[in-house]
Amino acid sequence: DTGVSQDPRHKITKRGQNVTFRCDPISEHNRLYWYRQTLGQGPEFLTYFQNEAQLEKSRLLSDRFSAERPKGSFSTLEIQRTEQGDSAMYLCASSLVLGAYNEQFFGPGTRLTVL
Amino acid sequence: SQQGEEDPQALSIQEGENATMNCSYKTSINNLQWYRQNSGRGLVHLILIRSNEREKHSGRLRVTLDTSKKSSSLLITASRAADTASYFCATAPGGATNKLIFGTGTLLAVQP
Repeated sequence: DTGVSQDPRHKITKRGQNVTFRCDPISEHNRLYWYRQTLGQGPEFLTYFQNEAQLEKSRLLSDRFSAERPKGSFSTLEIQRTEQGDSAMYLCASSLVLGAYNEQFFGPGTRLTVL
Repeated sequence: SQQGEEDPQALSIQEGENATMNCSYKTSINNLQWYRQNSGRGLVHLILIRSNEREKHSGRLRVTLDTSKKSSSLLITASRAADTASYFCATAPGGATNKLIFGTGTLLAVQP
């Protein structure tokens, strides 16, 4: 247990539905990241926050995806009008950036299945 | 897009043997990290090596980094069945401390 929690752990939904995932980082960590991992691949970066500010978004993050970190603590990732191609593991990570080095601690992930 | 590629894609060894995994990457880096992922679970950070370091040890793990060849290797000595997992290298792009760019991973199976 790294101290990063994600909820839910599994989500099955029908195509076209909206889903929302939550991530609770390690409390003193100022950075929070979202990654997506498909079967047999490494995680791919989606977006990250420094405190409550969203500082970078990947091209993978289409208009149907939105992420927030309203108070600089927990974060939510929403996918609207889900598609079968959205089926993946969604991983959250957090880090405390001191100087130039950035060890990220990952949560257990939310596995999304879109039927 | 994936930054790195791990080699081999899959590796099967007997308990007690050493396992070596290699990672190649494309762009300049600030640091390189190795992570382990048990089936269907989250990632666990193993070790971070800075771009100005050539070798680092942590318990049974030994990591090397060759920035001229843009490659790294992870050696696990005296492997155990519990080491069975996927191993990923991840690079932090030079000058940035934000996202990690992961390779495709090596699936290690340690037979008891």
